[in-house]
Amino acid sequence: GAGVSQSPRYKVAKRGQDVALRCDPISGHVSLFWYQQALGQGPEFLTYFQNEAQLDKSGLPSDRFFAERPEGSVSTLKIQRTQQEDSAVYLCASSRKRGDTQYFGPGTRLTVL
Amino acid sequence: EDKVVQSPLSLVVHEGDTVTLNCSYEVTNFRSLLWYKQEKKAPTFLFMLTSSGIEKKSGRLSSILDKKELSSILNITATQTGDSAIYLCAALKSSGDKLTFGTGTRLAVRP
Repeated sequence: GAGVSQSPRYKVAKRGQDVALRCDPISGHVSLFWYQQALGQGPEFLTYFQNEAQLDKSGLPSDRFFAERPEGSVSTLKIQRTQQEDSAVYLCASSRKRGDTQYFGPGTRLTVL
Repeated sequence: EDKVVQSPLSLVVHEGDTVTLNCSYEVTNFRSLLWYKQEKKAPTFLFMLTSSGIEKKSGRLSSILDKKELSSILNITATQTGDSAIYLCAALKSSGDKLTFGTGTRLAVRP
């Protein structure tokens, strides 16, 4: 595709609900990243995939957060039992290979009520 | 802990002014410094700097890395209202994976 796409663009969840956020990376990009951006802050790293392998999940804030990329292309970030502090913009980025420029999608704004 | 600090936090200028945005980093196994422009939501890539002292230019924007001072600057000349955005810098480690971002500089260009 022309760029990284994410869906939905906006998600409102009630506290305790589960949510799933989708990322479609640029075609052929091997590396895929998830970041969380709170209001007024820079993006913070959550997790990283090389093809289907999740090589780093050190940034996931709790075991309620889970990410997968089963076929090495589309990725899903799942948040279980959402809490108000999960409210943020979730950004996905992809790069052609490790160490290359990361290109970002438009993000999903999650609001937990 | 890896850290990236940007200054100023915000800046208001008039069209035609020249601005300089600063970024300093403390990152183990540093590889590259990246600059992004963020309007609305998606950070848009501007520059990736790996070598010290080599200026990169794109139109009215230019940037340079100083590995001795662990810093980088982003210059914008003849600013336009369309330059209004948050400018983010981020450090990439030699492992080539996650970016560590600063909090950004919010630039407002008044007509």
